[in-house]
Amino acid sequence: KQEVTQIPAALSVPEGENLVLNCSFTDSAIYNLQWFRQDPGKGLTSLLLIQSSQREQTSGRLNASLDKSSGRSTLYIAASQPGDSATYLCAPQSPAAGNKLTFGGGTRVLVKP
Amino acid sequence: EPEVTQTPSHQVTQMGQEVILRCVPISNHLYFYWYRQILGQKVEFLVSFYNNEISEKSEIFDDQFSVERPDGSNFTLKIRSTKLEDSAMYFCASSEEVEAFFGQGTRLTVV
Repeated sequence: KQEVTQIPAALSVPEGENLVLNCSFTDSAIYNLQWFRQDPGKGLTSLLLIQSSQREQTSGRLNASLDKSSGRSTLYIAASQPGDSATYLCAPQSPAAGNKLTFGGGTRVLVKP
Repeated sequence: EPEVTQTPSHQVTQMGQEVILRCVPISNHLYFYWYRQILGQKVEFLVSFYNNEISEKSEIFDDQFSVERPDGSNFTLKIRSTKLEDSAMYFCASSEEVEAFFGQGTRLTVV
């Protein structure tokens, strides 16, 4: 059974700092991994998808890395802005879990102006 | 940009009543999902649907739950007799192959 852990659970930084969000998963035989953003009371916005054959994926100020062998993914957000304040969720998709996503508990980020 | 839309955004229902949550997935997508998130907890999988049938369901998805794709565009989740513990945010998602796109959710409150 896939278990997903995200550390830290919460993070507060001043504007401009780089953010590092960690995700670990127990079953390393994954198809892919998605990172999502969730604003309070809102839906999930897909940020990045990393396929199992990739080591990283970039979109603007966001960069996600994947180390399958160690069961880890890291989301980097460069030069954080107050608008980056949200909860960030990682969700791998693995054969052991069928074709569904297994979510971590998220990292709640607050970027202070 | 295409998006998954869900209605209603918020529904309040009495315990024991039936509710239907509606979703319009992205038009060329083939895989459809329902997830839920109880307040303060992780997003958890309920059911996946492909080729007009359930492909996988979780332990949560018992006989009180059903899904349907009544026409070419809608995807619904029905809860036959709601319980207090069904109160949660329910998310619909769809994917063409790999990347899943989620709707804004329906907040279900059972009183």
